[in-house]
Amino acid sequence: ILNVEQSPQSLHVQEGDSTNFTCSFPSSNFYALHWYRWETAKSPEALFVMTLNGDEKKKGRISATLNTKEGYSYLYIKGSQPEDSATYLCAFDSGTYKYIFGTGTRLKVLA
Amino acid sequence: GAVVSQHPSWVICKSGTSVKIECRSLDFQATTMFWYRQFPKQSLMLMATSNEGSKATYEQGVEKDKFLINHASLTLSTLTVTSAHPEDSSFYICSALTDLSGNTIYFGEGSWLTVV
Repeated sequence: ILNVEQSPQSLHVQEGDSTNFTCSFPSSNFYALHWYRWETAKSPEALFVMTLNGDEKKKGRISATLNTKEGYSYLYIKGSQPEDSATYLCAFDSGTYKYIFGTGTRLKVLA
Repeated sequence: GAVVSQHPSWVICKSGTSVKIECRSLDFQATTMFWYRQFPKQSLMLMATSNEGSKATYEQGVEKDKFLINHASLTLSTLTVTSAHPEDSSFYICSALTDLSGNTIYFGEGSWLTVV
């Protein structure tokens, strides 16, 4: 059974703090690793699609890295803002579109 | 980005009745849509893959006669929970695949089902 783990499950940070989360995934049959940002009552929003080992992608204050050999990806948020509060999901993609999701990291940024 | 709309957002139904959830791609054609279910504190779990004009492919452990999926057009897939029971109460969410997005899948907003 393929398992995707995310940690921590939840965290609270102060506005302006930087933070990071981890997504661990199987190192075999890897095609891509997806990061989504999910606000309550909204659709999950695609942040990054990571495909190559050593990939680093950036979108504003958010960036992500990928290590396919050891099976992990980090998501970083620099200078957290209240509007960054959301659940961040990662999904393992073996190339079949049958994503395997982690349980997410719930981030709350306190003003 | 591409927009996927799901309806209803919330539904309460009586045990034994059926309820239908719709998933629409608003600005693109989706040949493939996916239905997920999420129980509290668990991850999104794929239930089935829905292909336009053909029968859905169900994941292991998902009863195809209970969760009827219809993908009659390139912009609409429906999930009908038949003879719903309290244990079917869950969060259901659809997603759609578009050729315009490379290998990114776009999600609907999800539907909360409560069976009483």
